[in-house]
Amino acid sequence: GAVVSQHPSRVICKSGTSVKIECRSLDFQATTMFWYRQFPKQSLMLMATSNEGSKATYEQGVEKDKFLINHASLTLSTLTVTSAHPEDSSFYICSARTFGDINYGYTFGSGTRLTVV
Amino acid sequence: GENVEQHPSTLSVQEGDSAVIKCTYSDSASNYFPWYKQELGKGPQLIIDIRSNVGEKKDQRIAVTLNKTAKHFSLHITETQPEDSAVYFCAATPNAGKSTFGDGTTLTVKP
Repeated sequence: GAVVSQHPSRVICKSGTSVKIECRSLDFQATTMFWYRQFPKQSLMLMATSNEGSKATYEQGVEKDKFLINHASLTLSTLTVTSAHPEDSSFYICSARTFGDINYGYTFGSGTRLTVV
Repeated sequence: GENVEQHPSTLSVQEGDSAVIKCTYSDSASNYFPWYKQELGKGPQLIIDIRSNVGEKKDQRIAVTLNKTAKHFSLHITETQPEDSAVYFCAATPNAGKSTFGDGTTLTVKP
């Protein structure tokens, strides 16, 4: 089945630095990828929709200059948390929808635990 | 937009018993309803899904039912096992749209 690889699985960074998280579809093309943030014991909060070859669409309240998204190819989307602060510490998860199948269930990455110290 | 409500938020059952999780949605345009299982520290995994032209779907111990008129759908797990313990999310998706997730149900299966 479809596999989405997300790296790193865990990262600790200092306040003020930037962190890049990668999301790769391994065996299918993903024109659309999604980035979520999840707080402990809470649901998935959609941050943005990443579209291959075009600008990402951000959800209301998400700072696009802080959470930079790049979807340069059909198999790779990246999320960069810029000038990270402790309040950005969270579990970030990406997902992808298979190309050409709008009703296929999303395939999720394994998530990235970000801790900003 | 779509609003998905999921109940219960926590569910504890004895091994071998059945577990039922229910979701309601508001947007009649939603026509695809997946269920995801999330284990601690991992991303969600699709376990079963149903489309609006079907009322029920079963895969071994897992089944999902959909009532489009009432706008609700349910996940049924029979003969539960300790490894079924996880957080389960429902979602509703309109055609070509984004999925809206429920708040999740923490299922604990006691041996």
